[in-house]
Amino acid sequence: AQSVAQPEDQVNVAEGNPLTVKCTYSVSGNPYLFWYVQYPNRGLQFLLKYITGDNLVKGSYGFEAEFNKSQTSFHLKKPSALVSDSALYFCAVRGHSGAGSYQLTFGKGTKLSVIP
Amino acid sequence: KAGVTQTPRYLIKTRGQQVTLSCSPISGHRSVSWYQQTPGQGLQFLFEYFSETQRNKGNFPGRFSGRQFSNSRSEMNVSTLELGDSALYLCASSPGGDTDTQYFGPGTRLTVL
Repeated sequence: AQSVAQPEDQVNVAEGNPLTVKCTYSVSGNPYLFWYVQYPNRGLQFLLKYITGDNLVKGSYGFEAEFNKSQTSFHLKKPSALVSDSALYFCAVRGHSGAGSYQLTFGKGTKLSVIP
Repeated sequence: KAGVTQTPRYLIKTRGQQVTLSCSPISGHRSVSWYQQTPGQGLQFLFEYFSETQRNKGNFPGRFSGRQFSNSRSEMNVSTLELGDSALYLCASSPGGDTDTQYFGPGTRLTVL
């Protein structure tokens, strides 16, 4: 079975400072990894994904994520946080064999608050 | 392209009733997945349809069912509603390949009284 852990329920960061939202995963075989963001009363918006290739993935709104196979991690980063980045962030994994191939398994989410 | 649309956006039902939610995918997408989001359980996968066939199913009771039509639109049905079914139901569409990104709709907020 595949699983995702987001160890921090909440992350607070000052505007202009770098931010990191942590994610670790467990899956059989090579993982497909995703980050989504959710604003209040909205659906999920796709930020970026890792399928294969370069370990550093760049996505929307200046976000990037680093895939680390040995640590089974896929942390989300941004060099300079904006107040408008305040939202709920979800990491997700999809296996690519067997029954879990087409479903996303999500972490519990991390609430990011950027303080002006 | 227009995004994923879900109707209705809000729904209030009473215990024991049934409900049908609708999802229209992005044009050209053949896969539709459904997820339930609650404060306690987070985001949980319900089922996924591709070209009118259920390809994957999550761990939910048989009261939760779905279908997909030839135009890729999908519906999910919940029968004999329980208080615990109150949730945000999210639909996501993708072209259907296993590396494809799933794009989510705004969700249907179901409240069961």
